[in-house]
This record gives sequence, structure tokens and C-alpha cells, in this order.
Amino acid sequence: SQTIHQWPATLVQPVGSPLSLECTVEGTSNPNLYWYRQAAGRGLQLLFYSVGIGQISSEVPQNLSASRPQDRQFILSSKKLLLSDSGFYLCAWRGGGLAGSYNEQFFGPGTRLTVL
Amino acid sequence: KQEVTQIPAALSVPEGENLVLNCSFTDSAIYNLQWFRQDPGKGLTSLLLIQSSQREQTSGRLNASLDKSSGRSTLYIAASQPGDSATYLCAVRRSGGSNYKLTFGKGTLLTVNP
Repeated sequence: SQTIHQWPATLVQPVGSPLSLECTVEGTSNPNLYWYRQAAGRGLQLLFYSVGIGQISSEVPQNLSASRPQDRQFILSSKKLLLSDSGFYLCAWRGGGLAGSYNEQFFGPGTRLTVL
Repeated sequence: KQEVTQIPAALSVPEGENLVLNCSFTDSAIYNLQWFRQDPGKGLTSLLLIQSSQREQTSGRLNASLDKSSGRSTLYIAASQPGDSATYLCAVRRSGGSNYKLTFGKGTLLTVNP
């Protein structure tokens, strides 16, 4: 069976510090990978998605970047955090390829980021 | 642009009651619709996935229906329990070139009182 991991679970960082959140998926290959942010009182916002190693698409311009160094690893980064980067960050995956359009999307446990 | 609306935003019911959560979407050109549950401070748990060619899916006490032409889906929860308390979100995946992403509603916060 497939599992998705995120770490850390909770992070408190000062403004201007760097950020690295990691997501890994087990039990599948060539997944589509996603980073979402969920801010208090707001819906889920898609930040980045990736259909393969080194292939990253950004949904919104922002202070964050993403990388996919391995097939089942997705990293969210920032060089300098802003207060507005605070939120709940969720990684997700679904099966890739044309048939993947019909597949379920699964989410990780999330990382709570507080920028002070 | 696809928009997903969930009504009501919050719902409080006594234990044992049957209930319906509603989801509507503006663009009927979808591949599928997915219902999720989110507990406070946790990630999303997939409940049911309905393909565009299907009318409903069932899992235990949950039944989700889809009327693509009218842009509506409902999640029916039978014999509700306090453990069902959570936020329920629906999301649609459009067909065509932008099918890489899900468009989410803002969710319905369900409280089941013992």
C-alpha cells in the first residue's frame, strides 16, 4: 500500500529564515506530486505540482519554491520566510499518466508552519 | 474558471441523525469528484471518488451522488456518530488540459452531538 510522509510536523521559524519541508511517497512510482497551503479560515491553495523528476509547475507567484530531486520526493523551500508564509502545508500525490486523471488524490499529514 | 461551493458552511446535528452535505460546481466538464474529511490539525482523508460516468459511490455509512449535468454532488451520512465530526470537503478535477489539479470547496464543518 502507498503511504505519504511529511516532516517536520510542526515548525516555528523567524521572519527572514530559510525553509525546507520534505515530502516522500512510498509504494508507488512516477506519482504526480502536489504542495498545498491551507491558511486559517481559507480554503486549500495549490502552490506547486510535479509530474516527474525535475518538472515543477507553479500555480501562484510567491516567496516559495519547490524541487523534485527523486521520483518520490518533493521539497518545498524558501530563502527568506515572510509572516504571510505561516499556514498548514500539505503534500499530496496521485497516480501519474493519462489513466492517473481518474485516480484518487491522497494527502500527507501536513506541516504546521508558524513564522514569527 | 471552476468554482466549487459547499452548503452549509457548518452543521450541527444530534447523534443518530441522517444528514446530507451539498457540493455544487460551475463547470460540468469534470473527470471526477472526490469527497474528503479533515480532522482539526490533520491532513485530508479521501472518503469517496466518483468518476464522471458514475452516479454514486458508497462506503459504509457514506453515500456520495453526482449529477454532472446540474453541477451537484451530495454526501449522505447515515446514522451519524460523534466520531463523524470533522470538516468535509469536496473537490472536482476538470477534464481537458488543466486536469492536473483539484478545485476545492471551502468545506462543511460537521458537529455530531452525543
